[in-house]
This record gives sequence, C-alpha cells and structure tokens, in this order.
Amino acid sequence: GAVVSQHPSWVICKSGTSVKIECRSLDFQATTMFWYRQFPKQSLMLMATSNEGSKATYEQGVEKDKFLINHASLTLSTLTVTSAHPEDSSFYICSARDRGTSANEQYFGPGTRLTVT
Amino acid sequence: KQEVTQIPAALSVPEGENLVLNCSFTDSAIYNLQWFRQDPGKGLTSLLLIQSSQREQTSGRLNASLDKSSGRSTLYIAASQPGDSATYLCAVDLPRDDKIIFGKGTRLHILP
Repeated sequence: GAVVSQHPSWVICKSGTSVKIECRSLDFQATTMFWYRQFPKQSLMLMATSNEGSKATYEQGVEKDKFLINHASLTLSTLTVTSAHPEDSSFYICSARDRGTSANEQYFGPGTRLTVT
Repeated sequence: KQEVTQIPAALSVPEGENLVLNCSFTDSAIYNLQWFRQDPGKGLTSLLLIQSSQREQTSGRLNASLDKSSGRSTLYIAASQPGDSATYLCAVDLPRDDKIIFGKGTRLHILP
C-alpha cells in the first residue's frame, strides 16, 4: 500500500524558535496533502489543505502566519511552526491523497510529536 | 456542516466478547467512510475503508457496515483480545470539500 513518511518523528524546541516538519509520499504523487493536529485524548483536527504549487487553504481559527505550509513538489509538503510556544505542543499528522486510485484514499503519516519548552 | 459522532466514548469489556462501535454522520453526501485504530502516542492505522457505494467491508475479526441513507456505520469486533485495546476513530471523506472529518473516537479497553 501507499506510504507516507514524516520527519522528524519527535522534536523538542525552545519557546520562540521555529520548527519544520516534513511530510513525504514515498510511492505515489500527491497533489493534495493535509495537516492535522491532535491534542492529548482528543481527535484529529484539520489545520490546512496543502496543494502542490499553490497556497495552502487554512481551516478557521488556524493562523497562516504561524503555521507556514509549503508544497513544492508532488511528494513533499512541509509545515513550519514559527515562534513556537508551549501551547503549540501537540501531535502533528499529515496525510496525502492518492488520486491515482479509484478509492481516492488518503494515507496518513506516522505523526510528529512537538514539545515546546 | 458535517459532524461525526462516535458512541460510546469509552468501552471496557472482558476478553472474548464481541462488540460494536457506532459512528454517525449528519450529511450523507460522503465519498467514503474509514475506520482507524490509534494506539497511545502513535499514528493512525487504517482498518477498513467503505466506499459510498458499498455496504460493508471485512478484515479478519473486523467487520464494518455503512448505511449512508441513515448516516450510520458500525465496526464489529469479534472475539475481542487485549491487543485490540486502542482508540478507534471513524472518519468520513467529503467530496465537496475535499477533506476528511474525524469523530472523537471510542477508547476501547479489553480486560484480560
């Protein structure tokens, strides 16, 4: 099956610094990738939809200047958390849609745990 | 606006029992419905995907059904095992908005 990877799997950073998370589709091309955030014991909340070669579409309440998304190629999207604060500590999960299949399925990465101290 | 509800929020059952997890959604215009498993601190594992034209899917001890007209899906787990303990998430894929909406999950604990 299709594989989506994320890097790093976990990261600890100091308050005020920026952190970049990568999401890659390993064996298919993904014109659309999605970024989710999950706080402890809560469900996944969609943050933004990332389209290759165009600006990301952010969900209501998500600051686009704080969560910078770049989708420069058909296999890579990046999420940069700028000026991170402890309240940004969360589990970030990406997914990629494989439009080459009839199911049009989304495949999820393993997640990145961000801790801001 | 599509809303996905999962009942119960938590469930504890003795090993060996058969159990049913429920998922309901408010808008029947879905592309597909997917059940995931999530272990604590881990990512998502896709269990079953049911396309809108299908009524059920089976994998091993798992069976998922979909009744699109009534906005319901169930995940049936047969002969539960302690290793089945996890959070189970239901998610619907929306063609209009090109996004997936998740329920809040059911935390399942199988007692040895």
